[in-house]
Amino acid sequence: EPEVTQTPSHQVTQMGQEVILRCVPISNHLYFYWYRQILGQKVEFLVSFYNNEISEKSEIFDDQFSVERPDGSNFTLKIRSTKLEDSAMYFCASSEMSANQPQHFGDGTRLSIL
Amino acid sequence: KNEVEQSPQNLTAQEGEFITINCSYSVGISALHWLQQHPGGGIVSLFMLSSGKKKHGRLIATINIQEKHSSLHITASHPRDSAVYICAVSPWGSNTDKLIFGTGTRLQVFP
Repeated sequence: EPEVTQTPSHQVTQMGQEVILRCVPISNHLYFYWYRQILGQKVEFLVSFYNNEISEKSEIFDDQFSVERPDGSNFTLKIRSTKLEDSAMYFCASSEMSANQPQHFGDGTRLSIL
Repeated sequence: KNEVEQSPQNLTAQEGEFITINCSYSVGISALHWLQQHPGGGIVSLFMLSSGKKKHGRLIATINIQEKHSSLHITASHPRDSAVYICAVSPWGSNTDKLIFGTGTRLQVFP
């Protein structure tokens, strides 16, 4: 069964450094999402992406965050200058179409900011 | 106030027991999702429903749109069912199907 893959599984970065989290969505899916889960808390929506542009973003997704689909297969989340509070598990998801379709999640990237 | 509330937060059961996890939400939705999160962190979609009832193996999900309430039932529970079960909703008015998540119910099934 096709799956969403995320790399790396664990990223350790110094505060203030840039980090790029990578995702390969399922190939025929059109909608892509990033979510994050701070340890012990619920999963939170960050951003959705369709047709090569951001469709919707949350208050969390400020100017330090950006997303890109650089080559038609990868979907990346960049954090420009990481803060301690960015430490979390980041999940990528994709869905075939927007309306009433299940989202398929990757296994997540655990980001630790030192 | 959380838009999606789950109960209970924690649940322990003996193998074979019937389990119910409840979810209430306060926003208009286009769909409700039940997801499973394993200890390693990965999230798997179990059900997406907008009305009625769905069944997959030993899992049953129901939704009452008027009461803004959904339940996930597990029949004949097994230790491998131990995981966090998360209710999430796709709110009306979203440009895309972003999900709003509940805090999850941690289930432990003992042999």
